[in-house]
Amino acid sequence: GAVVSQHPSWVICKSGTSVKIECRSLDFQATTMFWYRQFPKQSLMLMATSNEGSKATYEQGVEKDKFLINHASLTLSTLTVTSAHPEDSSFYICSARDWATPGRELFFGEGSRLTVL
Amino acid sequence: KQEVTQIPAALSVPEGENLVLNCSFTDSAIYNLQWFRQDPGKGLTSLLLIQSSQREQTSGRLNASLDKSSGRSTLYIAASQPGDSATYLCAVQAGGGNKLTFGTGTQLKVEL
Repeated sequence: GAVVSQHPSWVICKSGTSVKIECRSLDFQATTMFWYRQFPKQSLMLMATSNEGSKATYEQGVEKDKFLINHASLTLSTLTVTSAHPEDSSFYICSARDWATPGRELFFGEGSRLTVL
Repeated sequence: KQEVTQIPAALSVPEGENLVLNCSFTDSAIYNLQWFRQDPGKGLTSLLLIQSSQREQTSGRLNASLDKSSGRSTLYIAASQPGDSATYLCAVQAGGGNKLTFGTGTQLKVEL
């Protein structure tokens, strides 16, 4: 299947700093990417839909100014957690759709674990 | 609002046993249903994708069925192996958009 890569796979930062997570589609172009958040022992919750060349669409309850999303190219979307606090510590996963794959199958990255001290 | 539930939440079986994981969803107006595997601290690996018009999909020892009208899907794993130990997630995609709604997951442990 298609490959989606995330970087970094884990990051530790101090409270108040900003952290950027990258999501890349390696062997296909993705006009749409999705960002999810997963708390320990819980399922994935969609945070926002990232659209290439336009503003991201955020789910209800997700702060736009807190979680900045940029989708500047067809293979890269970035999520920046601004002024991070310990409650932002979580596992962040991105996904992308390869439109060449029938059935709208979504492929996921390996995830990025953020720990805010 | 779509809600997806998976039963059981956790399952422990001896190696070699056949097993069934269950997924139910409240809104039958789905485009497709996807089963994923997640290893601890890792991302998701897509296992099977079933379109709303399909009844089942098979890949190796895995077979997934879909009964859209009753809002149910099952993932059948044949001859389970310790390497199958992971959390299995089902997710449904709404007909009108791209959004995936995930189930709560089933944590599977296959023991030697």
